[in-house]
Amino acid sequence: TQLLEQSPQFLSIQEGENLTVYCNSSSVFSSLQWYRQEPGEGPVLLVTVVTGGEVKKLKRLTFQFGDARKDSSLHITAAQPGDTGLYLCAVSIKAAGNKLTFGGGTRVLVKP
Amino acid sequence: EAGVAQSPRYKIIEKRQSVAFWCNPISGHATLYWYQQILGQGPKLLIQFQNNGVVDDSQLPKDRFSAERLKGVDSTLKIQPAKLEDSAVYLCASSLSWADQETQYFGPGTRLLVL
Repeated sequence: TQLLEQSPQFLSIQEGENLTVYCNSSSVFSSLQWYRQEPGEGPVLLVTVVTGGEVKKLKRLTFQFGDARKDSSLHITAAQPGDTGLYLCAVSIKAAGNKLTFGGGTRVLVKP
Repeated sequence: EAGVAQSPRYKIIEKRQSVAFWCNPISGHATLYWYQQILGQGPKLLIQFQNNGVVDDSQLPKDRFSAERLKGVDSTLKIQPAKLEDSAVYLCASSLSWADQETQYFGPGTRLLVL
């Protein structure tokens, strides 16, 4: 069993549609990060959420950390082909030296 | 500011052969990480260095994988001998320190195919 379960595994939508991806766990975390990885590149940090119930917005992307700090979601409004990529959530376990544990990722394809 | 550099970008080898990957972190970053990303999965940490010392290598298959960061800057990751299941993207990342939530910056990765 993975520490972080991401769903769905794959999502294909048309340009202009909205989408939500999820990151769930049975463990409580002090913080959670979201990354986007484009084909042929390494992951790039999008946001870090720290407080239970926190909502952060990055242009058309909205990130939410669950009240109990066990889960998170990423919502994209009016998706564009440039949003295509692998979306990964990750946690850094305190006292583990900033070691990141990633979920399996959600592959998003936005068709023009 | 230059990002994390990795080479080669692609490598194809036959099983039981050896292969080495190179990583040059962002200047001034004390902490360096090697991750393995198998197709369809998220990255998994193999080894973490703080300067030239190993912080965590608990998930490194030490019978065939080795890594070093002799001068606390560049790092190499070696696989000897390679197995089919080693086919993956090997990502190098660096951060200023190993403090909790310190941002990790990833290189583009080396794609390894073992035939």
